[in-house]
Amino acid sequence: GAVVSQHPSRVICKSGTSVKIECRSLDFQATTMFWYRQFPKQSLMLMATSNEGSKATYEQGVEKDKFLINHASLTLSTLTVTSAHPEDSSFYICSASASGLETQYFGPGTRLLVL
Amino acid sequence: KNQVEQSPQSLIILEGKNCTLQCNYTVSPFSNLRWYKQDTGRGPVSLTIMTFSENTKSNGRYTATLDADTKQSSLHITASQLSDSASYICVVRGNAGNMLTFGGGTRLMVKP
Repeated sequence: GAVVSQHPSRVICKSGTSVKIECRSLDFQATTMFWYRQFPKQSLMLMATSNEGSKATYEQGVEKDKFLINHASLTLSTLTVTSAHPEDSSFYICSASASGLETQYFGPGTRLLVL
Repeated sequence: KNQVEQSPQSLIILEGKNCTLQCNYTVSPFSNLRWYKQDTGRGPVSLTIMTFSENTKSNGRYTATLDADTKQSSLHITASQLSDSASYICVVRGNAGNMLTFGGGTRLMVKP
C-alpha cells in the first residue's frame, strides 16, 4: 500500500510555544490530506481536511487559528499547533488520499506532549 | 446521524485462542467498511476492506464478515498471537464524499 510518513514521531514542548508536524505522501500525489487527533483510549477524531493549494476545512469545534494547516504541495501537509497548552497534548495522525474520494492512507502519528 | 459502534470495548484472551470483534453501523448510504489494526503509539493499518456485495474476506488469520442488510460486521482472529495485542478499529465510509465514521475500537490483549 501507499506510504505516508510523519515527522517528528514525538515532540515535547513548553506551554506557549508552537509546534509544526509534517505529513508526507512518499509514493503518490495526495490531493487531499486529513488531520486527526486521538486522545488515550479513544478513537480518531477528524480535525480538518485540506486540499492542495486551498484552505483547509475544519471540523466543528476545532480552532483554525490555533491549528494552522498548510498543504502547499501534492506530497506535503503541515499542521502547526500554535501557543500550545497542556490540553493540546495528544496523538496527531494524518492521512493522505490521491483524491477526495480515494482510499485514505494513514501516517504513523506524532505524539505531542506540552509541559 | 452516522454512527459506528464496536463491541466489546476491550478483550483479554490467551495466546492461541480465537476471538471475534463486532461492529454495528448506521452509515447510509454505505460505500465500504474497513477494519484497521492500531498498535499503541502507531497509526492505523488496514486489515480488510469490504464493499456492499462482499460477505467474507480473509487476510491471513483475520477474517472479516459483512451483513449489509443488518449493517453488521465482524472481525475474527484465529490462533491469536502476542503481536495481535492492539486496538482494532472499524471504519465505515459513506457514499457522500470521503467522510469516514470511526468506531471507538476494541482493545485486544493477548496473554501468554
